[in-house]
Amino acid sequence: DGGITQSPKYLFRKEGQNVTLSCEQNLNHDAMYWYRQDPGQGLRLIYYSQIVNDFQKGDIAEGYSVSREKKESFPLTVTSAQKNPTAFYLCASSIDGGGDRGEQFFGPGTRLTVL
Amino acid sequence: AQKITQTQPGMFVQEKEAVTLDCTYDTSDQSYGLFWYKQPSSGEMIFLIYQGSYDEQNATEGRYSLNFQKARKSANLVISASQLGDSAMYFCASMNTGFQKLVFGTGTRLLVSP
Repeated sequence: DGGITQSPKYLFRKEGQNVTLSCEQNLNHDAMYWYRQDPGQGLRLIYYSQIVNDFQKGDIAEGYSVSREKKESFPLTVTSAQKNPTAFYLCASSIDGGGDRGEQFFGPGTRLTVL
Repeated sequence: AQKITQTQPGMFVQEKEAVTLDCTYDTSDQSYGLFWYKQPSSGEMIFLIYQGSYDEQNATEGRYSLNFQKARKSANLVISASQLGDSAMYFCASMNTGFQKLVFGTGTRLLVSP
């Protein structure tokens, strides 16, 4: 079955530690995205990538980093510079990075808690 | 800049009744898309329905329809014949055509009672 997987589902981190969230898709989509969701809020865009080896900052990129070495994978690193990293993180993909419709398909999410 | 406003933090509906979830948007672009997503308690975002700014007819997908009023910049979601499984958060989102950034509203929590 095609889809998007994120791991782990729950992640606990001590303050000052970097942590990497995994996102893999087998939909053959060119574009991938990372969103952050805080309680009672909508999603906010952290980073996105329209093609392999290229990515752009979203609205709240500070304290985060990404890489896109393979089409299927778009890992997100939450660095110690992120002041308030506790949140629900969602990865998404779409067929391409531009186009008329462009609906995004989401993974199940990773809930990160900083202790 | 785009902005999505969902003014209903919570809505209640009885099973088998219809419900309308409100969404207004603000964009200066001529070409854009409007989306509705459902987020159950598991957290995954499920795509429901899409409306393009140039589409003349309202979009429909099964029990979901989008009441698109371009002049009023509204894109309300109508769920007909509500089911218990419809209980979830619902998010309205917009995107400028050609630039794949989704902008989300704050969501509406729908509770369907027996």
